[in-house]
Amino acid sequence: VQMTQSPSYLAASPGESVSISCKASKSISNNLAWYQEKPGKANKLLIHSGSTLQSGTPSRFSGSGSGTDFTLTIRSLESEDFAVYYCQQYNEYPPTFGAGTKLELK
Amino acid sequence: QVQLQQSGAELAKPGSSVKISCKASGYTFTSYYISWIKQTTGQGLEYIGYINTGSGGTNYNEKFKGKATLTVDKSSSTAFMQLSSLTPDDSAVYYCAREGGIDYFDYWGQGVMVTVSS
Repeated sequence: VQMTQSPSYLAASPGESVSISCKASKSISNNLAWYQEKPGKANKLLIHSGSTLQSGTPSRFSGSGSGTDFTLTIRSLESEDFAVYYCQQYNEYPPTFGAGTKLELK
Repeated sequence: QVQLQQSGAELAKPGSSVKISCKASGYTFTSYYISWIKQTTGQGLEYIGYINTGSGGTNYNEKFKGKATLTVDKSSSTAFMQLSSLTPDDSAVYYCAREGGIDYFDYWGQGVMVTVSS
């Protein structure tokens, strides 16, 4: 299953809200996870099952979608949110990842 | 707290092998699978396969069969991945990650950079 993320780059300011899209090449039900990658830190699971926040994920993060179209939304950006975000499907083996979205400070 | 501590960076020659480790702590090791994931600038994140830490059973992404070999030492709560017949295309950052089954990864190691160069 191919995962297509957009945009590849996103510039925003603290306090703004942003959305990242992830599209699957076929239906994956809600078997989608979102991760955050930051330099020098282990990747962090933010959301699984399309919209379920992992324990410890701030409530300003939300996930939506099912089937082939998914969205990660971050409301009221904080400085710690500037990072790279990946989606991953686990409906079919092998799991596959999107190419990533780099969220940069404007 | 759950931690996956990976071994250090590797510099290897083409045709050789490397074995990298992933030591787990903070949870019951055999209750979760360990998966391995490759990251390169060109191909992004690619799933290599997983090992059932309880039984030692493995499942590989077809692309990495013959390239990666996954093993586990339950006595030290450590998973290993050996990469063989290395080529420059194997240069990458390799992550281990914990998963509950064939699904998502709730904890990741810090990654190991493997560089293949003569």
